[in-house]
Amino acid sequence: QLVLTQSPSASASLGASVKLTCTLSSGHSNYAIAWHQQQPERGPRYLMKLNSDGRQSKGDGIPDRFSGSSSGAERYLTISSLQSEDEADYYCQTWGTDIQVFGGGTKLTVL
Amino acid sequence: EVHLVESGGGLVKPGGSLRLSCTASGFTFSSYSMNWVRRAPGKGLEWVSSISSSGAYVYYADSLKGRFTISRDDAKNSLYLQMDSLRADDTAVYYCARYSSSSLVFEYWGQGTLVTVSS
Repeated sequence: QLVLTQSPSASASLGASVKLTCTLSSGHSNYAIAWHQQQPERGPRYLMKLNSDGRQSKGDGIPDRFSGSSSGAERYLTISSLQSEDEADYYCQTWGTDIQVFGGGTKLTVL
Repeated sequence: EVHLVESGGGLVKPGGSLRLSCTASGFTFSSYSMNWVRRAPGKGLEWVSSISSSGAYVYYADSLKGRFTISRDDAKNSLYLQMDSLRADDTAVYYCARYSSSSLVFEYWGQGTLVTVSS
């Protein structure tokens, strides 16, 4: 079964960096994923697509502070130079045959 | 610029029906597959349904068990979600989302419309 696992919460200080993790279920380690950001009271925003080899393609206007990387079944989102507006929920997303799957989301708090 | 604007949400009693609409602009609507995704209070994002660019292929989350129907009207640049036999656990903000042209990534999202199912 295709499942994405995320830690429920993360925190980091203003100006620092944070690395969020999304883990693909067993047997699906070669799947690409996408990262999405959802700020409070707003619709989600597409950040990037991330392949198993680490290649990434970002959405429109996504700053260089957001980057992705991959290792085995893990997909990472690194946010550098954290700003207050980065406080949001972050979701990973992948797809299978006739199905779309989201991770449970990580709530990022900027201290 | 791509814009997706949802409408049609509101308060409905359990067992009732509601039809959501999504009006698209800024791109050739007929060329893209489209989706509905929802977020229940205190929960994460959940994919609801997808429809191909031609409208010939539709897909649903297993949890919906045939209660929802997705459709599109390319002449009106509009996507729809007919929701029947609504339950309290269908309470959520419903988002319209467009796939990327090259992969099954949700590339653009609307702001959402709130559906509340309560007596």
